Amino acid sequence: EVQLVESGGGLVQPGGSLRLSCAASGFSIRSYAMHWVRQAPGKGLEHVSAISSDGGSTYYGNSVKGRFTISRDNTKNTLYLQMGSLRVDDMAVYYCAGGVGGSYSNWGQGTLVTVSS
Amino acid sequence: EIVMTQSPATLSVSPGERATLSCRASQSVSSNLAWYQQKPGQAPRLLIYAASTRATGIPARFSGSGSGTEFTLTISSLQSEDFAVYYCQQYNTWPRDTFGQGTKLEIK
Repeated sequence: EVQLVESGGGLVQPGGSLRLSCAASGFSIRSYAMHWVRQAPGKGLEHVSAISSDGGSTYYGNSVKGRFTISRDNTKNTLYLQMGSLRVDDMAVYYCAGGVGGSYSNWGQGTLVTVSS
Repeated sequence: EIVMTQSPATLSVSPGERATLSCRASQSVSSNLAWYQQKPGQAPRLLIYAASTRATGIPARFSGSGSGTEFTLTISSLQSEDFAVYYCQQYNTWPRDTFGQGTKLEIK
């Protein structure tokens, strides 16, 4: 069974840091570009970050540029998102997603990041 | 950044009827467009990619059309499980993918 499982979410104070992980099983992520997509409470989907299949190219949305870092370890079949200088408006469910050809055929169940003092 | 605009924001349709959802891009995205369905508490699910190709396991009542800047998702005969929020996504400018704001499909 193809599965993506996120972990690492939780409660953090403004200005703090968190590292999210996304472990894949049932398939190898090395063939896929991978993405982080977030969804604030009651809001729509926001594309946060992306990384090419070999890790050579990365992308960050304007709202997280300079604060978040995406990375991947294809040997561990895992995607990461290092989040720093967290703000209240970063509070959301964070999904990892990936697929061939640009659309996202595989999604994790999401991990909740709460930013509050 | 390409802006994706979905309409309407909310669509009320009776079970068994047809639903038509629209998505417009601020500039051409060719056929690099996907549709996703999201139910409360769940992750999005890919329905359509390349504007008109159904993803694996998606019922034939879901169909997509369009190219360039205008796209449509049609659900031919609504089932109870189809009431959800639907998002379009362009991936023509990978990795600068963008999503629409969503259309909530509710029971009339």
